[in-house]
Amino acid sequence: GAGVSQSPSNKVTEKGKDVELRCDPISGHTALYWYRQSLGQGLEFLIYFQGNSAPDKSGLPSDRFSAERTGGSVSTLTIQRTQQEDSAVYLCASSLDSVGNTEAFFGQGTRLTVV
Amino acid sequence: DQQVKQNSPSLSVQEGRISILNCDYTNSMFDYFLWYKKYPAEGPTFLISISSIKDKNEDGRFTVFLNKSAKHLSLHIVPSQPGDSAVYFCAARVSGNTPLVFGKGTRLSVIA
Repeated sequence: GAGVSQSPSNKVTEKGKDVELRCDPISGHTALYWYRQSLGQGLEFLIYFQGNSAPDKSGLPSDRFSAERTGGSVSTLTIQRTQQEDSAVYLCASSLDSVGNTEAFFGQGTRLTVV
Repeated sequence: DQQVKQNSPSLSVQEGRISILNCDYTNSMFDYFLWYKKYPAEGPTFLISISSIKDKNEDGRFTVFLNKSAKHLSLHIVPSQPGDSAVYFCAARVSGNTPLVFGKGTRLSVIA
């Protein structure tokens, strides 16, 4: 597609439920990133995929968070047993690769509200 | 431990004047630096970048300066326009298989 696409754009869920957030990166981009932005905060790194390498999961805040990237393209971020502190805008980005210095392009984000 | 710091949460500038946004980093291994702009309810958009082999990169009204010895970079916008009002994020990375590390952002308001 023309840009990074995320769905849904908004998600309201009850505390304790599981949610799945989807990211369609730009075609041909091998690197994919998930970040989140809580109210009034900066961009917090969550997880990073690069080609066939093992993902860098060092930013995931707890084991309730997981992500996968199927076929080197679409990625899904799953949050199990959601808590109110999970409320944030979840942003996905992709870049051509991470070996060369190329910029990352962001999607519009998914605003998650846990009530 | 915050590796990329933007110490000014907000900045107000008059239209036509220069806006200077600052960013400090602690990781001396960082060798690629970027600035992103973010409007409300939108994802960040790439603005300008600089490699550590340079100390200046210019693109139209936007110039990024890098001072490696001070571990400091800045974004200059001149002349500032009301449409530049947004949150600006500084980001850095180590070349190779590593993610971008972002600062907390600076909200720029350009007053007409």
